[in-house]
Amino acid sequence: AQKVTQAQTEISVVEKEDVTLDCVYETRDTTYYLFWYKQPPSGELVFLIRRNSFDEQNEISGRYSWNFQKSTSSFNFTITASQVVDSAVYFCALSEAGTSYGKLTFGQGTILTVHP
Amino acid sequence: NAGVTQTPKFRILKIGQSMTLQCAQDMNHNYMYWYRQDPGMGLKLIYYSVGAGITDKGEVPNGYNVSRSTTEDFPLRLELAAPSQTSVYFCASSYNGAYNEQFFGPGTRLTVL
Repeated sequence: AQKVTQAQTEISVVEKEDVTLDCVYETRDTTYYLFWYKQPPSGELVFLIRRNSFDEQNEISGRYSWNFQKSTSSFNFTITASQVVDSAVYFCALSEAGTSYGKLTFGQGTILTVHP
Repeated sequence: NAGVTQTPKFRILKIGQSMTLQCAQDMNHNYMYWYRQDPGMGLKLIYYSVGAGITDKGEVPNGYNVSRSTTEDFPLRLELAAPSQTSVYFCASSYNGAYNEQFFGPGTRLTVL
């Protein structure tokens, strides 16, 4: 069965600090997809990144970067020089290619608060 | 494109009442999903559809029903509302199932009293 664990329930930082959100997953599939979504206080879910299991390259997008390590089943998300607008709940999610309809299994989310 | 739209945004129901949550997408996606999000939790899949006329149960389908008569629309029906169905409901769609990201609607906040 697939499972996603975000062990950090809440993180509080001061603006301009770097912050890393941890995500550990479990799956029996060899082909799977990992996602990060952002849920700002307004409540909508915003897609941030998709990574497939065959692509372990790290990715950087502006102040955001993602570190995917199959050896430790982790897909961590780092925000560099955090800003108040980064305050949100962040969800890591997993879908398995064997479940072709695309069921997403979500972690419980990490609440990030960035203080000015 | 409007993306994924949901109505209503908020609703209060009394125990035993029924209602339909509407969801529509204009991206011509075949795959559509209904999730619920309980406080402090991630989202759980209620029902999904892989195309018009094809639906199936997710993790938490009890107390809900769906239909998919068109590619665009995927309504969720609550029969005999119970307090345990108090939640935020999200509809989502994707182009190609597991292989693509899902796009989410703005959500419907439902309270059952």
